[in-house]
Amino acid sequence: ETGVTQTPRHLVMGMTNKKSLKCEQHLGHNAMYWYKQSAKKPLELMFVYSLEERVENNSVPSRFSPECPNSSHLFLHLHTLQPEDSALYLCASSQDPPSGGPTDTQYFGPGTRLTVL
Amino acid sequence: AQSVTQLDSHVSVSEGTPVLLRCNYSSSYSPSLFWYVQHPNKGLQLLLKYTSAATLVKGINGFEAEFKKSETSFHLTKPSAHMSDAAEYFCVVSDRTGGSYIPTFGRGTSLIVHP
Repeated sequence: ETGVTQTPRHLVMGMTNKKSLKCEQHLGHNAMYWYKQSAKKPLELMFVYSLEERVENNSVPSRFSPECPNSSHLFLHLHTLQPEDSALYLCASSQDPPSGGPTDTQYFGPGTRLTVL
Repeated sequence: AQSVTQLDSHVSVSEGTPVLLRCNYSSSYSPSLFWYVQHPNKGLQLLLKYTSAATLVKGINGFEAEFKKSETSFHLTKPSAHMSDAAEYFCVVSDRTGGSYIPTFGRGTSLIVHP
C-alpha cells in the first residue's frame, strides 16, 4: 500500500454544498499534486505544490481551491460544483530533486470518488 | 512543451502471449519517462521509470521498457501476459518547467487479457 492517504474515499454532494478533500503523505516528500480523472478523458493535472508553494495551475475553475498548509498535507476545497465535476480525484506526492537532477517517482493515493448531483 | 502519445486506447491479448503497449513522447530537454498501472478502483502504481541511465529498464511484474531517443519512444513490453495484468496503463513524461518537474500523462491504454 502507498504512503499517501486520501479522505473521504467517496463523496456525494449537491451543487450548493461546500466540501473539502484531504490528502496526507507519510513519505517525507516535498511536492504534492491534485489530479482529476474522468471517464473517457486523460488524467488532468490540476495543481502542483512544491515546498508548499503553488507552481502550476492548469486553468482550473475557481470553484476548486487548493490549500497546502505544510509539506505533508494537501486539501482541495470544493464549492458550487457542477455535475461535470464528478470524477475520481487523485492526490500524489514526490520528492522534487535539486536543480539538474532527474525527477522522482510520484506516489498516488487511492483517490476520492466525487459525485455531484 | 512536452507531450505523450499512447498509440492504442485498447490492447487485447491472450494469456501467455506477449504484450506491447506503445508510447511516443516529445520533450525539449532530457526527460524522465515512467509507466504507471491502474487497476480498477485503485490509485496509480509505478511499473518502471527511465532517468537517463540504462536505456532498457526493468520494472515490476515482469514488465520492461526500452528508451529509444532516435524514435522518441518508450514502449512497454512483457513476454507473457497474465490475467492479473488486465488494467489501465499510463505513459508519463516529466520535464523541468521553470523550477519544478511537471508530469504529462498519456491518455492511457486499457490492457485486456483473455483466458
